Amino acid sequence: KAGVTQTPRYLIKTRGQQVTLSCSPISGHRSVSWYQQTPGQGLQFLFEYFSETQRNKGNFPGRFSGRQFSNSRSEMNVSTLELGDSALYLCASSSGSLDGYTFGSGTRLTVV
Amino acid sequence: GNSVTQMEGPVTLSEEAFLTINCTYTATGYPSLFWYVQYPGEGLQLLLKATKADDKGSNKGFEATYRKETTSFHLEKGSVQVSDSAVYFCALSLQGAQKLVFGQGTRLTINP
Repeated sequence: KAGVTQTPRYLIKTRGQQVTLSCSPISGHRSVSWYQQTPGQGLQFLFEYFSETQRNKGNFPGRFSGRQFSNSRSEMNVSTLELGDSALYLCASSSGSLDGYTFGSGTRLTVV
Repeated sequence: GNSVTQMEGPVTLSEEAFLTINCTYTATGYPSLFWYVQYPGEGLQLLLKATKADDKGSNKGFEATYRKETTSFHLEKGSVQVSDSAVYFCALSLQGAQKLVFGQGTRLTINP
């Protein structure tokens, strides 16, 4: 079956702009979560959605937001981009938190 | 709080050597434990998991045993190959938390 699909794979944006990243989970998975990966901070949890509801949120500023659609696809948005937002953004889907998460290949965001 | 500590890398070994990557955790409840692997330019792949004390997860020659008494989940492989070169992440998940908490990752390089 198809894995977790993230688009686009690469993005270059300018400071102050906003960006939207997309994630399509594995068919049947209703939980979608997002992580930011940087060399300095490692992997940090952004938020998790289940059936269009945000159930958990990490410690990120309000510029980071997300949503989930009725087909379980999810988007995350970052507004007023800063240089420090440059990172690999990973999406993961799951059928249950104790079963493990399947990750996509990520979106590499570079802010210049 | 909940946290995961991995042995610092990078780790460099010769092909066919024995591998151990240490992982210890702190958790407020009874977590599920995971090892993920990340190859260059890719997302995370679930390598193995264990959901309760004394469980042994195994996959592709890798093994890890959930040790509640020492709060550890060390990754081992008896004979590593060049293709095992990657970054390895230990992680935990608590029921109801809907997220993974990751260690800082250990970069492994296997020389032929």
